[in-house]
Amino acid sequence: DAGVTQSPTHLIKTRGQQVTLRCSPKSGHDTVSWYQQALGQGPQFIFQYYEEEERQRGNFPDRFSGHQFPNYSSELNVNALLLGDSALYLCASSHLTGGLYNEQFFGPGTRLTVL
Amino acid sequence: AQSVTQLDSQVPVFEEAPVELRCNYSSSVSVYLFWYVQYPNQGLQLLLKYLSGSTLVKGINGFEAEFNKSQTSFHLRKPSVHISDTAEYFCAVTRIIQGAQKLVFGQGTRLTINP
Repeated sequence: DAGVTQSPTHLIKTRGQQVTLRCSPKSGHDTVSWYQQALGQGPQFIFQYYEEEERQRGNFPDRFSGHQFPNYSSELNVNALLLGDSALYLCASSHLTGGLYNEQFFGPGTRLTVL
Repeated sequence: AQSVTQLDSQVPVFEEAPVELRCNYSSSVSVYLFWYVQYPNQGLQLLLKYLSGSTLVKGINGFEAEFNKSQTSFHLRKPSVHISDTAEYFCAVTRIIQGAQKLVFGQGTRLTINP
């Protein structure tokens, strides 16, 4: 089992550009969550996808959008990049089982640098 | 709303010494509590979790934590640390709403082990 994988590992963009980050969940998982971790900070929840729909969203602007595909993989898109978007972007997957706790497994992250 | 406060941004200790990393949370409802570890250039790994039951929770790598509802704390402890424990540690809470859950993280505590 490859676990949660993310691509690319590193990315450098300039202000105003758009970026797409990708995540493949752990085998058997159907839910994907995205987190932003700025340097020296704890991760912050961006949104969560299940059944190809956004189920819950954190306090992030509409420039941040996502998508989940039928194979449960997910993309995070950020438009009109700002310097402040520079961060490690973490993807976490889990298997939804009703209202019970579902452990989230994290990928290694994508380091985005905006110049 | 839930929040997590990690009281120490950095904790230096000598190898084989005991360590305690402090975490306080605020929430108006019952929560689940977690400690994650992040090694350099890696994603997050779950150390331990409190869902219900015994307030003393044992995790991987010899770590344990105690849930104290009256003090709204969930401090992480290890009786004897090793050089390999050098990492960033994050305390987190979660709440499940209609099957969707998000993790709210603290700012992190950098644990440095000196030989």
